Amino acid sequence: GAGVSQTPSNKVTEKGKYVELRCDPISGHTALYWYRQSLGQGPEFLIYFQGTGAADDSGLPNDRFFAVRPEGSVSTLKIQRTERGDSAVYLCASSWGQGRQETQYFGPGTRLLVL
Amino acid sequence: QKEVEQNSGPLSVPEGAIASLNCTYSDRGSQSFFWYRQYSGKSPELIMSIYSNGDKEDGRFTAQLNKASQYVSLLIRDSQPSDSATYLCAVIAGPRGGADGLTFGKGTHLIIQP
Repeated sequence: GAGVSQTPSNKVTEKGKYVELRCDPISGHTALYWYRQSLGQGPEFLIYFQGTGAADDSGLPNDRFFAVRPEGSVSTLKIQRTERGDSAVYLCASSWGQGRQETQYFGPGTRLLVL
Repeated sequence: QKEVEQNSGPLSVPEGAIASLNCTYSDRGSQSFFWYRQYSGKSPELIMSIYSNGDKEDGRFTAQLNKASQYVSLLIRDSQPSDSATYLCAVIAGPRGGADGLTFGKGTHLIIQP
């Protein structure tokens, strides 16, 4: 079956602009996660959704970052007033549930470059 | 502060030998441990998961967990050039299971020399 998909695969923007990154999870997966990976680092947890339930956004770096998942499937990560330090690969993952033994499957990522 | 530590490498191993990758974690309450493989420019792919002390084997891969020492390792037997990648250790460290997200180490860059 289809895996996690993310669009766009690459995004170049200018400092101060607004960007939206989209994630389409594996069909039937209720849990969805966003991570950010900088060069030479492991992925860093940003935010979690269980269905359409309230997100755990404790990992978001600041209030310029916001994510939605209005119908419990597709999610959009929104970044306002982008900064050069936001340049990274943004990874989305999904799993069947939020249990400790649930495997998180990662999408291919969106490579964001802020000039 | 939840931390996962790995030696960044590169770790160079001859083809056919055993590659040993190590990881330590700071949160003693951690329950679930994962090894992901990441090829350059690609996304992480799950290799092994382990939840209780001891060894878990899957083909050429063996994961080892020692909660008392807060240590988890991955052994790759009969290493192949295709095993060359960055190996990420990840932990679920919070009380809410997956809802707390995975905490990753920086990864170990493994090179298998033909």
